[in-house]
Amino acid sequence: GAVVSQHPSWVICKSGTSVKIECRSLDFQATTMFWYRQFPKQSLMLMATSNEGSKATYEQGVEKDKFLINHASLTLSTLTVTSAHPEDSSFYICSALSQDNPIYNEQFFGPGTRLTVL
Amino acid sequence: LAKTTQPISMDSYEGQEVNITCSHNNIATNDYITWYQQFPSQGPRFIIQGYKTKVTNEVASLFIPADRKSSTLSLPRVSLSDTAVYYCLVGPTGGFKTIFGAGTRLFVKA
Repeated sequence: GAVVSQHPSWVICKSGTSVKIECRSLDFQATTMFWYRQFPKQSLMLMATSNEGSKATYEQGVEKDKFLINHASLTLSTLTVTSAHPEDSSFYICSALSQDNPIYNEQFFGPGTRLTVL
Repeated sequence: LAKTTQPISMDSYEGQEVNITCSHNNIATNDYITWYQQFPSQGPRFIIQGYKTKVTNEVASLFIPADRKSSTLSLPRVSLSDTAVYYCLVGPTGGFKTIFGAGTRLFVKA
C-alpha cells in the first residue's frame, strides 16, 4: 500500500513552454503533498507544501507564479512549470502524507520526474 | 526545524555492518527521527523512524540515546544494492514539512 505515482517520469521541452507534472496517491487519501526539486548530486530541496482545497505554501525563494501548484482532490496534486528555461531542468519529486498512516509524518514519495529544458 | 548533520560519505564492504550517525542538537520534544534511502533518479524510500531508545525493523535498527541529540542508523550485513544516499530527518508529527539535509552517500564495495 501507500503508493505515489508521478506522470510523466521524464519530459523534454523547449525553452518558454509550460510543463505539467502530476502526483497521485494511488491507494490512500493525501490531504497534504509536498513538492521537491533535486539537482544532480544534491539533496532534495522543498519547494512547496500543497494542501487539498487551499493555496500552496511556497518556500522562500521559490517563485509561486512560475511553479503553479494545484491540489484539487485528495489524490492529485499538480505542479506546472510555466515558461520553463534551461535552469529549471531538474528532478522533481512529490510526496504525500496519509492521515491514516500509523507512522507519524512518514512521507510516501513518488518516483520523480526528470525535466530537461532545451 | 532541527538541523541535522551527517557524514558526507562512507565506504564499506559487502557483509559488513554500517553505522551512520546523525547529529541533531536542537531536536524538539515533539520531534521524531526518520531515515530515508534514495537511489539515483528515484524518490526517497522510508527506512525507519523512532523517538527514543532503539527501534528495529526488517532492514535496519535505529539507536537514539537518552538526550536524543543524535541517532545512529545501523544496516546489518550490507550488500552492493545498499549503495545509496541516506537521509536523516527530524521533525514533528502531524504533517509538518520536512527539510532534507545533505545526506550520507554510502558506497558498498565487493
